[in-house]
Amino acid sequence: DIQMTQSPSSLSASVGDRVTITCRASQGISNYLAWFQQKPGKAPKSLIYAASSLQSGVPSKFSGSGSGTDFTLTISSLQPEDFATYYCQQYNSYPHSFGQGTKLEIK
Amino acid sequence: QVQLVESGGGVVQPGGSLRLSCAASGFTFSSYGMHWVRQAPGKGLEWVAFIRYDGSNKYYADSVKGRFTISRDNSKNTLYLQMNSLRAEDTAVYYCAMAAAAGGWGQGTLVTVSS
Repeated sequence: DIQMTQSPSSLSASVGDRVTITCRASQGISNYLAWFQQKPGKAPKSLIYAASSLQSGVPSKFSGSGSGTDFTLTISSLQPEDFATYYCQQYNSYPHSFGQGTKLEIK
Repeated sequence: QVQLVESGGGVVQPGGSLRLSCAASGFTFSSYGMHWVRQAPGKGLEWVAFIRYDGSNKYYADSVKGRFTISRDNSKNTLYLQMNSLRAEDTAVYYCAMAAAAGGWGQGTLVTVSS
């Protein structure tokens, strides 16, 4: 099975900051990587698929990159609504494992 | 617009069974593979199962293999998860979700396994 490791597990940032979250796969997954945002008590929301493709309706302040084993999610110009938990997920092979999550908090 | 609505959650005793449903609308359900994903209280997301668009292939997490069955009825635009031999550790919010590139998620249904 492929293990997904996110770093950091938590992150404090200020409104207006640019932040980067990293996701590492235990073996190569090409670009079969998705990112999700989840707010407390809510369902996850899809942000990015195929490592760098933005889901429809997702603002361009979110961007993804990477291929193989190392991936990043970058959020520019943080706004209050961006503070949430972010998850990566590989869908190269079953089981489609998730990272443990990165909680982005307001500093 | 894509809409996924889960139902069927509730409280069940250990060893019991439950069937979850996910009603889909706003897209051509029969063209998309579908997942079940769960989230235990205060924990992260855990992938549970996947079924191809036509039901021809199904995949399961080791933690549910042999106990849970994913299925679909494309004539009713509905996805199912039959859960048998339930354990306390199956307590979670269960979400249905479209394949990654499509991106839609339901709002979730809570399953509590407790005596």
